[in-house]
Amino acid sequence: DAMVIQNPRYQVTQFGKPVTLSCSQTLNHNVMYWYQQKSSQAPKLLFHYYDKDFNNEADTPDNFQSRRPNTSFCFLDIRSPGLGDAAMYLCATSRVVGITNEKLFFGSGTQLSVL
Amino acid sequence: AQSVSQHNHHVILSEAASLELGCNYSYGGTVNLFWYVQYPGQHLQLLLKYFSGDPLVKGIKGFEAEFIKSKFSFNLRKPSVQWSDTAEYFCAVNDISNFGNEKLTFGTGTRLTIIP
Repeated sequence: DAMVIQNPRYQVTQFGKPVTLSCSQTLNHNVMYWYQQKSSQAPKLLFHYYDKDFNNEADTPDNFQSRRPNTSFCFLDIRSPGLGDAAMYLCATSRVVGITNEKLFFGSGTQLSVL
Repeated sequence: AQSVSQHNHHVILSEAASLELGCNYSYGGTVNLFWYVQYPGQHLQLLLKYFSGDPLVKGIKGFEAEFIKSKFSFNLRKPSVQWSDTAEYFCAVNDISNFGNEKLTFGTGTRLTIIP
């Protein structure tokens, strides 16, 4: 059974048109992460939520925002997508914020294309 | 800042060949080390991890990895690969000294193709 679910699997948007990617989890984990993975590059952490506390990475562009209305759901909003934002976006969860000895549970990702 | 290097971008092997994928990290403090695997069309999943104790760790599907602190390495090995091992493999490191605000740093990944 899927534990971290990302919808849609593929998303196409237009240059400058806002887009929202969604992630849900059935694990009741406290922490949810958003990673961006461009072709042939390492997954890069954008931000994470520990419960309702939002933690933004220093180099995450302002164009990227996130919402977590409840434990199960987390959204990634891209306010004005550029061509450089085309990537695979990965959602992950962990039980606690300190990931020592913990593993991340990943969703299947959403492949975003920007036309 | 910590970084992770996977020098092999694409490895092609025949079935039953032995495998070793390199992973080096640049951080002098205490780290936890992970290998994640992503099979075609599937999500990233944990293959194995090291956090303390025996530097030779065994994971699922016959994989193992050895932590060599002096070399800052955590190479992944398997004595005999199968076609089903075709996947992308990511090494990852987290700095445990930054307790409470830890994050995984991933390498760029190695694509493994097994030829039947």
